[in-house]
Amino acid sequence: EVQLVESGGGLVQPGRSMKLSCAASGFTFNNYDMAWVCQAPKKGLEWVATISYDGSSTYYRDSVKGRFTISRDNAKSTLYLQMDSLRSEDTATYYCARFRYSRGAFDYWGQGVMVTVSS
Amino acid sequence: DIQMTQSPASLSASLEEIVTITCQASQNIGNWLAWYQQKPGKSPQLLIYGTTSLADGVPSRFSGSRSGTQYSLKISRLQVEDIGIYYCQQASSTPPTFGGGTKLELK
Repeated sequence: EVQLVESGGGLVQPGRSMKLSCAASGFTFNNYDMAWVCQAPKKGLEWVATISYDGSSTYYRDSVKGRFTISRDNAKSTLYLQMDSLRSEDTATYYCARFRYSRGAFDYWGQGVMVTVSS
Repeated sequence: DIQMTQSPASLSASLEEIVTITCQASQNIGNWLAWYQQKPGKSPQLLIYGTTSLADGVPSRFSGSRSGTQYSLKISRLQVEDIGIYYCQQASSTPPTFGGGTKLELK
């Protein structure tokens, strides 16, 4: 059974940093691209970043470029999102998702972790 | 970025009714269109990918279609467990973008 379990969220002050983790199990982690998708309170889904199966390529939405870093440790089957210079508009639930490139879809999602940026 | 415009924003329907949700792409995305269902308090789940292909375990009452740059999700006979918010998403180009969502409620 595919499982994605996020951790690391919480309350953080504007301008500070936070690192999210996503532990994957039930599939061969290093065969798949992975992504982070966020959802602000009562709002829709917004793609944040994607990393290729081997970590060689990364992609970001414009609003997080230069502030967020997606990475992965294939030996630990874990995905990360380092978030620096956080802003109030980054407040959201962050989902880890497996991206099935051949299908152009996020086929498995974690339960999500809430990040609140506030003083 | 490719804009995905979903309609309606909300929809109230009766059990066993046929429900259709549409998504208009701002440019050609081919068949790179997926649909997701998000139940209250839960994470999204993939329903359909490649415009028409059902994801594993998705009931056959769900179907997807396309006419040009307009995409549709159809629920043939609405069930209680289908209540939630539905999103479309394009993967034709980066960034992948989602529609604004359609909230489906029971009448």
